[in-house]
Order: sequence, then C-alpha cells, then structure tokens
Amino acid sequence: KAGVTQTPRYLIKTRGQQVTLSCSPISGHRSVSWYQQTPGQGLQFLFEYFSETQRNKGNFPGRFSGRQFSNSRSEMNVSTLELGDSALYLCASSLVRSEQFFGPGTRLTVL
Amino acid sequence: GIQVEQSPPDLILQEGANSTLRCNFSDSVNNLQWFHQNPWGQLINLFYIPSGTKQNGRLSATTVATERYSLLYISSSQTTDSGVYFCACGSQAGTALIFGKGTTLSVSS
Repeated sequence: KAGVTQTPRYLIKTRGQQVTLSCSPISGHRSVSWYQQTPGQGLQFLFEYFSETQRNKGNFPGRFSGRQFSNSRSEMNVSTLELGDSALYLCASSLVRSEQFFGPGTRLTVL
Repeated sequence: GIQVEQSPPDLILQEGANSTLRCNFSDSVNNLQWFHQNPWGQLINLFYIPSGTKQNGRLSATTVATERYSLLYISSSQTTDSGVYFCACGSQAGTALIFGKGTTLSVSS
C-alpha cells in the first residue's frame, strides 16, 4: 500500500505571497492532519480533516487554512506569508482515531 | 491540554550499548506513538502503544497508562539508530497528536 505523499517537497516563497501544499493520504484513510515543525516551537498541530470537514484546529492564525476533497486528499493554504512561517509542514493520515502515518513533508522557506 | 515531556534531551552512546528513552504525559491518552525522525525530516512510525508492551527487533516499548509514562528501549545500538526520537500523545477528547520536544540520540562506532 502506498504511503502518504506530499507535494511539493521543497518550496521557496517571499513574504506576502501565499502558498498551497498538497497531501494524499494512504488509501482508505479518511482522516488527514497537518503539523508544522520549526526549531523553536517543535512539532505543532495545525488542523485535522475528516470526511471533508475540519474536525479539530490548533492554535494558529486564520492565515492558515485547509480543505479536504471527496477522495480524502487535502490541501493547506498559508496566505500573506511571514518569515516565521518557514518550517517543515507534515501531513498525517489515519483511520478513525487510530495510529497516524506521516508523509515526507514539505519544506517551506520564506524569504 | 496534554503536556508531553521527554527525557533525556540528548543521549550519546557507543555502538552496542543499550538505552532507555522516557515520555511522561499529563493526562489520560487514547493514542501514544513513538517516532524516529530521519535526516530528511520524515517521521517513521516505531510503535503505536497507548498501553501495554510491544517489541520489534532491537526496539521495544512499554506504556503504563495509569502512571502516565512510556518507555522506549533500544538494545545493541547501531549508528543507523542516530536521530531524533519523538513521543506523541492524543487525548481522550481529540485526535491531535501532541509531541514532546524529542530525544536526540547519537551513536558512534
């Protein structure tokens, strides 16, 4: 079974721009969660989608948003990028309330 | 919310040595996972262990839910075991994983 895939793997943007990251979960998994990893804050939960609905949200500003499609693929969007948004963004998929499996991540650099 | 603390923050070992990594959590959990982060950043699943004991080769883990801690044992360390190990917990109420700050393991030959 194929694992979680994320695209793109690397991204360089400038302040003020917006960015969209994509995540394809493991086949059959309907829950997709997003996490941000930075050296200062560590790994932090952004949000979770299940059956196209946001089920849970972390403590991030409204510039961070996401959505999930009917095939369970998910996208997250960050608008008006700031230097502090530079991070590794990780996506995880799971069955309902069970073990989460992570993708390889998207490394975003904001200049 | 749940607080997750890992110790030690850093561990330096010679190849062949054994080690124990600890994870303390502040509330009841319905999910506890151990991960190894590879040099490229991907989190590799080691154990899904909200309670009980599991073993996989040289690695084993034990979670004592009533006392709110989990232990990851690595026996006969190899240089390829080097990296950051994370413990992450999910609360009874939600689905988000709360991560500890990790233990950085360095194994030298």
